[in-house]
Amino acid sequence: GAVVSQHPSWVICKSGTSVKIECRSLDFQATTMFWYRQFPKQSLMLMATSNEGSKATYEQGVEKDKFLINHASLTLSTLTVTSAHPEDSSFYICSAYPERVAKNIQYFGAGTRLSVL
Amino acid sequence: GNSVTQMEGPVTLSEEAFLTINCTYTATGYPSLFWYVQYPGEGLQLLLKATKADDKGSNKGFEATYRKETTSFHLEKGSVQVSDSAVYFCALIGTNAGKSTFGDGTTLTVKP
Repeated sequence: GAVVSQHPSWVICKSGTSVKIECRSLDFQATTMFWYRQFPKQSLMLMATSNEGSKATYEQGVEKDKFLINHASLTLSTLTVTSAHPEDSSFYICSAYPERVAKNIQYFGAGTRLSVL
Repeated sequence: GNSVTQMEGPVTLSEEAFLTINCTYTATGYPSLFWYVQYPGEGLQLLLKATKADDKGSNKGFEATYRKETTSFHLEKGSVQVSDSAVYFCALIGTNAGKSTFGDGTTLTVKP
């Protein structure tokens, strides 16, 4: 089946630094990818929709200057957490779907756990 | 907007017990419905899905039937195992394809 790879799986950084998370669709093209955030013991909250070749669409309350999204190719979207602070510590998950196959099946990455010291 | 309401947890069962996790939804049109499972420290894995009314999704002994009349998609398993211990999320994708809306998740613990 379709595979979405997310890297890194775990990152620890100092407060004030920036962290980049990659999301790749390994065997299909995805013009649209999604970024979610999950706090401990909570559900997934959609942060933004990443669109290949255009600006991302952010959900209400998500700071676009804080969470930079770049979707430079049909198989790669990146999320950069700029000037990270401890409150940004969370589990970030991306997803994508192979549009040419089905629009209602999403494949999720394994997630990235970010810990900001 | 779309929403998913999931049975509150945590749920603790003995091995071989019957499992039901309730899920109801609110959406316009005809959404696709999903159950995902998340093991500790891992991402989401698709457990099963149903894309139209009366469809039954099934996988690994788990089942859920898309009930449009009651807007429900309850997850069931006849005999749970310790290895089923995880967090289960009910979710939908609406007619605006792509975005998933998740329930709050239900933590299942199965004791031997």
